[in-house]
Amino acid sequence: ELKVEQNPLFLSMQEGKNYTIYCNYSTTSDRLYWYRQDPGKSLESLFVLLSNGAVKQEGRLMASLDTKARLSTLHITAAVHDLSATYFCAVGNTPLVFGKGTRLSVIA
Amino acid sequence: SAVISQKPSRDICQRGTSLTIQCQVDSQVTMMFWYRQQPGQSLTLIATANQGSEATYESGFVIDKFPISRPNLTFSTLTVSNMSPEDSSIYLCSINRGTMETQYFGPGTRLLVL
Repeated sequence: ELKVEQNPLFLSMQEGKNYTIYCNYSTTSDRLYWYRQDPGKSLESLFVLLSNGAVKQEGRLMASLDTKARLSTLHITAAVHDLSATYFCAVGNTPLVFGKGTRLSVIA
Repeated sequence: SAVISQKPSRDICQRGTSLTIQCQVDSQVTMMFWYRQQPGQSLTLIATANQGSEATYESGFVIDKFPISRPNLTFSTLTVSNMSPEDSSIYLCSINRGTMETQYFGPGTRLLVL
């Protein structure tokens, strides 16, 4: 059974700081997703990672995938308040298995 | 990207009643997925709906409680039957699309059962 673990589950960051969210998964998978969810909203797709060593960047967010370690990271650079949201990683094909989410709060 | 709409966007229901949630997609898809997100929790897949066949339910979910229809390739419904307060959740429909098979989610239906 595929299990996905995210940490931390809660993260309070100061604006301008850097931090990394980790996503570990238990069995081999050919794809990993990162999603963002704002309060009361649906999920927004951020990244799809398909191969070992894949790295994708969008603005202040950068995601990477190490399939051998079964680990993905979401790195936040110079955080701003607008990044406050819950971030989920999800692994698999059909069905996707989601991590519990990381609730990020960026404070001044 | 994908355009997915859901109705209703939210509802407040009495226990023991049933609610049917509709999901409409902007183009034909083979599979549609229904997820549940309980308050403050992650997403859990309820079932996969294929057109022309019965839905496939995940462990812990049964057809009697969550009947699903898939009358065509752009539409599906999920019914939450005989509701209890524990059914209070966000229900989301989802599809795969694109060369990278990205999974897109509808806006969700926020259900509160009193």
